[in-house]
Amino acid sequence: GAGVSQSPRYKVAKRGQDVALRCDPISGHVSLFWYQQALGQGPEFLTYFQNEAQLDKSGLPSDRFFAERPEGSVSTLKIQRTQQEDSAVYLCASSSISVEAFFGQGTRLTVV
Amino acid sequence: AQTVTQSQPEMSVQEAETVTLSCTYDTSESNYYLFWYKQPPSRQMILVIRQEAYKQQNATENRFSVNFQKAAKSFSLKISDSQLGDTAMYFCAFMKHKASGTDKLIFGTGTRLQVFP
Repeated sequence: GAGVSQSPRYKVAKRGQDVALRCDPISGHVSLFWYQQALGQGPEFLTYFQNEAQLDKSGLPSDRFFAERPEGSVSTLKIQRTQQEDSAVYLCASSSISVEAFFGQGTRLTVV
Repeated sequence: AQTVTQSQPEMSVQEAETVTLSCTYDTSESNYYLFWYKQPPSRQMILVIRQEAYKQQNATENRFSVNFQKAAKSFSLKISDSQLGDTAMYFCAFMKHKASGTDKLIFGTGTRLQVFP
């Protein structure tokens, strides 16, 4: 596709369940970012990949959060043992050599 | 650390009128970028306008323009001839300059803009 694609669009998880969120960046985009957007807030940085290398994971809130991008294209954000405070929209963005980041439509995660 | 502050949680404007959204930021960096993003209910962040800190001239994109005051660390967005489709959340964002490509974005808390007919 022409844009950044994220799936699923919505996810409801029971507390304690593991979830996996997928991001398909724009083809050829080297950089990939994950952000977490709590209700009524701005997005907050989670982690950054350049190709398959995870160069910055300083924003991951706990060791329950894990991200990978094994072939330098599709990325997966995994959250283990979900808790209520993990409820948020998770946004993925990709970019090439320009300064503009292109965002997907996000995954809304609700932990019940 | 960089911070971005948007002090107006909500704004409203009548169609065809002009509205200004405020943003201030704090950084010790000398070279950086500032952005305004629009987020409609579909949740997808759409770039409205960007400003390079080393450029003194204010950026303009059609009905959208910015007032960039580097010394005051202020970066406001002016929307002229407001349209119903401008109704959305607007986020101000900061990014450090990198030699190539994109760095992480630091966002403000957003301003909800409602355009009335």
